[in-house]
Order: sequence, then C-alpha cells, then structure tokens
Amino acid sequence: GQNIDQPTEMTATEGAIVQINCTYQTSGFNGLFWYQQHAGEAPTFLSYNVLDGLEEKGRFSSFLSRSKGYSYLLLKELQMKDSASYLCAVVNSNYQLIWGAGTKLIIKP
Amino acid sequence: NAGVTQTPKFRILKIGQSMTLQCAQDMNHNYMYWYRQDPGMGLKLIYYSVGAGITDKGEVPNGYNVSRSTTEDFPLRLELAAPSQTSVYFCASSLQGEGNTIYFGEGSWLTVV
Repeated sequence: GQNIDQPTEMTATEGAIVQINCTYQTSGFNGLFWYQQHAGEAPTFLSYNVLDGLEEKGRFSSFLSRSKGYSYLLLKELQMKDSASYLCAVVNSNYQLIWGAGTKLIIKP
Repeated sequence: NAGVTQTPKFRILKIGQSMTLQCAQDMNHNYMYWYRQDPGMGLKLIYYSVGAGITDKGEVPNGYNVSRSTTEDFPLRLELAAPSQTSVYFCASSLQGEGNTIYFGEGSWLTVV
C-alpha cells in the first residue's frame, strides 16, 4: 500500500525552531507538497520539492531525500499564527496525490 | 480574488436525504477535485475532473456523484445521505494534474443525523 507518516501533534515555543518530519512509501515519486491548514480553514500551499535538497522560503524551509523517502518542514522564529496543521502530500507515479493525516503544531508563548 | 468558491458552508442532513454541494472556480483551471477530510485522517479524493465533460472516481466515490458541464463548475451530489458521510468536504482545482499546486475552497461542514 501507499502511506505517508507524520507525527500527530507537536508543541513548540514562540520564537523557537521546529522540524516536522514526513516519511513516505508510495508507488513512484513525482514530487512532495507541504500545505498549512489553520483550524476550520482550507489547506494553503507552502512548498513543493521534487529534487533532493533544501528549499528555503522566508521562515519556512522544506527538505527532501528521495533515497530515504523522507522530507521535513522547518519553521524558524515561530509565531503564534504558525499554530496550525501541516500536511505532507506525495505525488506518485500515476500523478495521484497521497495525503498524510497532518501534524498539529501547537505554539506556546 | 474569488479562487475556488463552495457552498454551503454548513449543512445538517437527515439520513436518506439528498443534496448538492456547489463548487466554482474562476482561475480557468482544467482539473477540479472533491476531497473529504475526517478527523485525524488525510484528505481522501472522492471524484476528480480533468476538464469539462470528463469525470473520474477517486479513492472513496461510493455514495457520491459529480458532473462537469463547464470548466468553472463541479458540483458534488450526495444521494441517500448516511451518517458515514458526516465530514468536511473540500473542492479544489489546479491548472494541470495533481503534480501542480492545488487551490482549495473554504470547505463545507456536513452532518448527517
């Protein structure tokens, strides 16, 4: 089968750094997305990785290792508004998007 | 800046009733999708469409129907609602297939009692 694994919940402190991991086992690989979803709202696009390495976008960075089936989302200088769920999704060889259950990130002052 | 618009936002249905969730996008996207999201679960694809007149089943199509008569509109029909269909439904679109960035509507909270 195909599956995406992410931690269910993480807690971090305002101003700190947090790393949210995602491991995947899919039939082929054609890219990996990270989406942010605030409670009661729709997911919004954060990043897309298709090649190995780190993609940096402001306070958010996303890393991919295709050989390890692994990605992480790194959030720096955490703000209270970063409290949300973070969804990892992989595009498989059929160009279907397989979604993880999401990691709920709680930011404490 | 409408993007993807879906209605209604909230709805309570009785078991056996039917309803249609409306979805429209103004970005001239070819691909449109309907997902459901249950607590603690990943998004599950119900149906998708690659263009007007073309629809196909996703991972969990049973109990649902769709149509795509225009590029803009992609309504989701629930026939004979069941408690298992209590969920949050998201309509989404992308320019090309799922390897492209997907843009989501605001969601529709459906409760079947």
